[in-house]
Amino acid sequence: DQQVKQNSPSLSVQEGRISILNCDYTNSMFDYFLWYKKYPAEGPTFLISISSIKDKNEDGRFTVFLNKSAKHLSLHIVPSQPGDSAVYFCAASAYDMRFGAGTRLTVKP
Amino acid sequence: DSGVTQTPKHLITATGQRVTLRCSPRSGDLSVYWYQQSLDQGLQFLIQYYNGEERAKGNILERFSAQQFPDLHSELNLSSLELGDSALYFCASSSTIYPYEQYFGPGTRLTVT
Repeated sequence: DQQVKQNSPSLSVQEGRISILNCDYTNSMFDYFLWYKKYPAEGPTFLISISSIKDKNEDGRFTVFLNKSAKHLSLHIVPSQPGDSAVYFCAASAYDMRFGAGTRLTVKP
Repeated sequence: DSGVTQTPKHLITATGQRVTLRCSPRSGDLSVYWYQQSLDQGLQFLIQYYNGEERAKGNILERFSAQQFPDLHSELNLSSLELGDSALYFCASSSTIYPYEQYFGPGTRLTVT
């Protein structure tokens, strides 16, 4: 069951510009949302999270926005850097955690 | 370093064989999760154990099984291997404190020839 969806399998952005990665969910019981970053041949690592009581959380160049009415969240990376090139997974938590399929971000120098 | 360890890092075996993947969770974490990632696809949740008991099951084939031992390490057993089982297998662990954020190991790359 695809409770968490990342509809864009890939995204290419120029260095210094904004990267916006999107995620949709269907289960209204989800109340905590996370973004993970994954480099090739490594395990995913936690990047940033947001509770459902908030609509925005910021950590340096990374900001996550949550729109509960639309069941949509997004990750903004500003400015994008080549080292940000990776696969980004959206995850949502209720009693357990469900992951999206991932979006491959490529930041071109 | 997430604190989650997985062995072996790489495994090459033939079709029809059986393998065991091992995972040690972060110190203090009671939950262990297994995921499969095939050909740069998403993370497919296989199974979760909590303190030795099976907690949740995802898209795990009947040829696959797992267990969590009293010392909390976990093993994923894959049998009657097929070419399509070639993938990265990740283990993750989480604490008992909400929101149960998961920490991933480096993965085991399984190649079935």
